[in-house]
Amino acid sequence: ETGVTQTPRHLVMGMTNKKSLKCEQHLGHNAMYWYKQSAKKPLELMFVYSLEERVENNSVPSRFSPECPNSSHLFLHLHTLQPEDSALYLCASSQDLAGQGSPQHFGDGTRLSIL
Amino acid sequence: GNSVTQMEGPVTLSEEAFLTINCTYTATGYPSLFWYVQYPGEGLQLLLKATKADDKGSNKGFEATYRKETTSFHLEKGSVQVSDSAVYFCAPLDSNYQLIWGAGTKLIIKP
Repeated sequence: ETGVTQTPRHLVMGMTNKKSLKCEQHLGHNAMYWYKQSAKKPLELMFVYSLEERVENNSVPSRFSPECPNSSHLFLHLHTLQPEDSALYLCASSQDLAGQGSPQHFGDGTRLSIL
Repeated sequence: GNSVTQMEGPVTLSEEAFLTINCTYTATGYPSLFWYVQYPGEGLQLLLKATKADDKGSNKGFEATYRKETTSFHLEKGSVQVSDSAVYFCAPLDSNYQLIWGAGTKLIIKP
């Protein structure tokens, strides 16, 4: 499924770099999510946006900064990351905030490696 | 708190074998239940869902029945294929409308 597109697919950066992850959804959905997926750990919900307003921030370090300029685009700005931030970052969207009729649709993720 | 427990993987089966991946959960009330699948190098895809007790979700030969009495949502398939090799996630929806994720179960199907 190509409804949710994430770029780049792979990113290698040093701890002092600043980079951004991009997510775009073509499904007309109103809610968007950032997740962190680390090996052998449950998915961690990082941020939730509904109608471009942030509705959830699960104690994520300030070195991660989300931005949702419109309902189709979601960014994750990265700066001064740590090696433990290396992971797969997944973007998802749903018609409305996750509910019985609103399953989440995921992008293929950005594989982030911090040197 | 809310949580989900899945079989630890990897689960390794031969092609055409019967598959069961167990899932039990703790959550407030009677949440909707989902199974997602993640194929290598891809994001997660919704596989099936059930929204109330005794509902059976099904898709691509996979089935899971919402068992309220045992708070379980076990995934089954009668005859697996090599192409079913992936990581499977059971995810109940909590009362705040957020999915509760486990670590997933890796399934390996050998020809």
